[in-house]
Amino acid sequence: KNEVEQSPQNLTAQEGEFITINCSYSVGISALHWLQQHPGGGIVSLFMLSSGKKKHGRLIATINIQEKHSSLHITASHPRDSAVYICAVVNTDKLIFGTGTRLQVFP
Amino acid sequence: DTGVSQDPRHKITKRGQNVTFRCDPISEHNRLYWYRQTLGQGPEFLTYFQNEAQLEKSRLLSDRFSAERPKGSFSTLEIQRTEQGDSAMYLCASSPRDRQSYEQYFGPGTRLTVT
Repeated sequence: KNEVEQSPQNLTAQEGEFITINCSYSVGISALHWLQQHPGGGIVSLFMLSSGKKKHGRLIATINIQEKHSSLHITASHPRDSAVYICAVVNTDKLIFGTGTRLQVFP
Repeated sequence: DTGVSQDPRHKITKRGQNVTFRCDPISEHNRLYWYRQTLGQGPEFLTYFQNEAQLEKSRLLSDRFSAERPKGSFSTLEIQRTEQGDSAMYLCASSPRDRQSYEQYFGPGTRLTVT
């Protein structure tokens, strides 16, 4: 079993829909990252959080430390949100990654 | 500051050849990480440095792999006697790693294809 599990693996949506991606982890963490990866490979950090909730534009990330679970929400999704979203936890100073969720948003 | 850079961006090599990749971190970031990502998977940790000291290596890093950061600035990752299974995206990230910072900033990656 992977130490960081994401669901779903693939997600398609119509423009404007509310999107939720889930991440569960089984190891102790110092913080959790949500990352975005576009075709071609570049990874951009969206959020880093260790408790509670963060919001940036249409993106919201939450974490429940007791339940070892985090969610990434995208409100009013747009085709430019199409990418792979990766959850990664900080464990002993290095990142352990989930396998990613491939999101496609259609107009 | 232009962020983390990696060179080359793409490398095609024949099985058995040696390859070397370079990563230039954000200046003054004292931590530098190498990750490997195969198709359809999330990245996996390979190794990391604090300044010039290599602090941890993954079991994934076989004896054909070696990484250096000789002056605590740029780093190189060398793969000797490449195998087809080495085909992957090799990602570098750097971190300021002050007491409360767990941020990592990623480079664009080097895509290796072993034929």
